[in-house]
Amino acid sequence: GNSVTQMEGPVTLSEEAFLTINCTYTATGYPSLFWYVQYPGEGLQLLLKATKADDKGSNKGFEATYRKETTSFHLEKGSVQVSDSAVYFCALIGAGGTSYGKLTFGQGTILTVHP
Amino acid sequence: ETGVTQTPRHLVMGMTNKKSLKCEQHLGHNAMYWYKQSAKKPLELMFVYNFKEQTENNSVPSRFSPECPNSSHLFLHLHTLQPEDSALYLCASMSGGTDTQYFGPGTRLTVL
Repeated sequence: GNSVTQMEGPVTLSEEAFLTINCTYTATGYPSLFWYVQYPGEGLQLLLKATKADDKGSNKGFEATYRKETTSFHLEKGSVQVSDSAVYFCALIGAGGTSYGKLTFGQGTILTVHP
Repeated sequence: ETGVTQTPRHLVMGMTNKKSLKCEQHLGHNAMYWYKQSAKKPLELMFVYNFKEQTENNSVPSRFSPECPNSSHLFLHLHTLQPEDSALYLCASMSGGTDTQYFGPGTRLTVL
């Protein structure tokens, strides 16, 4: 079956530091890949996505590139802010299959940014 | 009100109680989902509904009973729960032909 593996956290950074959160996946075919973010006390929000190999998703200064050859979708941001403190989830929707829109999530990475 | 809403936001119940969680989406989507978010575990898909028909039951115990009376509303009926069922229960919705799910804020459930 499909699976997503994220780097274990928590990740603690100073403001303006560079961020990388690693994500690798296992899936058949060509899944769509996502990063969701969960701020304290809230549900998940889509941060960015990519639907085919070599696509780059980007939003709010965050980027991730769909790498088919390494089955990876690492999240990066050049300069984090305190407001980026949240839990980040990597996820995929498998290509085809029997279940409509079935997301598979990684375990989540807690990011804390200090001033 | 817009987006996906969930009520109540917090719920404390005993193991013999019966309660229901409610989810409502105002986005015109046709698919709705229940997820369970436990501490230190990945989000678990519980149920999927597409045009009010259940298309996925991810081996969820029968003490959780979903109901989808229309494409805008989704319920999760709870009875005789266990303490290990304490978690954040998230609802999501999605429009056909797309791949982006929109999540509600969740219901924090504590089973005593």
